[in-house]
Amino acid sequence: EPEVTQTPSHQVTQMGQEVILRCVPISNHLYFYWYRQILGQKVEFLVSFYNNEISEKSEIFDDQFSVERPDGSNFTLKIRSTKLEDSAMYFCASWGGQGNTGELFFGEGSRLTVL
Amino acid sequence: AQKVTQAQTEISVVEKEDVTLDCVYETRDTTYYLFWYKQPPSGELVFLIRRNSFDEQNEISGRYSWNFQKSTSSFNFTITASQVVDSAVYFCALSFYNAGNMLTFGGGTRLMVKP
Repeated sequence: EPEVTQTPSHQVTQMGQEVILRCVPISNHLYFYWYRQILGQKVEFLVSFYNNEISEKSEIFDDQFSVERPDGSNFTLKIRSTKLEDSAMYFCASWGGQGNTGELFFGEGSRLTVL
Repeated sequence: AQKVTQAQTEISVVEKEDVTLDCVYETRDTTYYLFWYKQPPSGELVFLIRRNSFDEQNEISGRYSWNFQKSTSSFNFTITASQVVDSAVYFCALSFYNAGNMLTFGGGTRLMVKP
């Protein structure tokens, strides 16, 4: 069964450092997403990406964040200068788009710890 | 704006008991999807079910059943004869298919099933 894969599974970084989280969505999917879950809290939408550009973003997704699809397979989330409050689990998801089922396929998450 | 409320933050039952997890949503759209995801202690998000707003039929899958009632904007989830492996956090979520399928999650319900 096709799946979304994320790397790294866990990253520890110092405050102020840049972090890149990587995702390989399902190959024929068209929409890509990043969600965040602070420990013990709900899952929150960060950004959606379609046709090589951001289609929607939440207020959490400020100038410290950026996303990119550098090649045909990877989808990355960059945090430019990490803060303590960026510590969370980050989930990548993908969707096939209109004409497909409404199910988003989630990766297993990347846990980011900012010290 | 859309909102999903899971009023029960934590439920504890003894194995073999039935348990119902409540989900209430708010939306002005007529076309939407409702989801349930399971998050076991390992942290990944496991898809359980998706319903569209035009399909109010209840669904049963093994020990799991879902009751969708548009009149009360609720999409409740029942586990029959609970097992210890059902212990997890369960999230209800709402999406707008035609708006890029972004998910709005509820706050989650932590279910603890004791032997």
